[in-house]
Amino acid sequence: AQSVAQPEDQVNVAEGNPLTVKCTYSVSGNPYLFWYVQYPNRGLQFLLKYITGDNLVKGSYGFEAEFNKSQTSFHLKKPSALVSDSALYFCAVREGGSQGNLIFGKGTKLSVKP
Amino acid sequence: DGGITQSPKYLFRKEGQNVTLSCEQNLNHDAMYWYRQDPGQGLRLIYYSQIVNDFQKGDIAEGYSVSREKKESFPLTVTSAQKNPTAFYLCASSISLGGTAKNIQYFGAGTRLSVL
Repeated sequence: AQSVAQPEDQVNVAEGNPLTVKCTYSVSGNPYLFWYVQYPNRGLQFLLKYITGDNLVKGSYGFEAEFNKSQTSFHLKKPSALVSDSALYFCAVREGGSQGNLIFGKGTKLSVKP
Repeated sequence: DGGITQSPKYLFRKEGQNVTLSCEQNLNHDAMYWYRQDPGQGLRLIYYSQIVNDFQKGDIAEGYSVSREKKESFPLTVTSAQKNPTAFYLCASSISLGGTAKNIQYFGAGTRLSVL
């Protein structure tokens, strides 16, 4: 069965510092991995995805994520956090090539302080 | 949230009442989805549809119903059988149901449902 875990409910970072939001996954085949961001009372916005190829994926708003097959992880990163990055971040996984649905993690609240 | 419109933004349900949440998309997507979001629980799939006149139950379909009479529209009815309907409901769509590289889900802005 597919699953995804976001081990941290909340991540606190000072503005200008690097940030990491963690995600680990479990699928039986090759994973398709996604990160979404949600601002208060809004829908989810797509940030980036990993399908195949380069393990470092670049996405919107300066975010990037690193796929690590041996550790089954797909951590979201940004070199320098902004206060406006404060939001709820969701990792999601689907088994590649299948018609299975997206499985979402429980979300990690990112708080960036000035 | 462009391309997917959910209405209303806020909705209140009286006990024993059925309410319907609207979801319309102009992205020409075949697949549409309804999720329920509760604090600390992430998104849970209620129903999904891969084509007009076809839909499938997700993980938490009990107490909900849907229809897909038009490609653009996928309304969700929260019935009186749903005993704990207070939540944030999100509609999404994608090109198709399959797990292809292009198949990103796009979300509406959501409807917050509360019980009076």
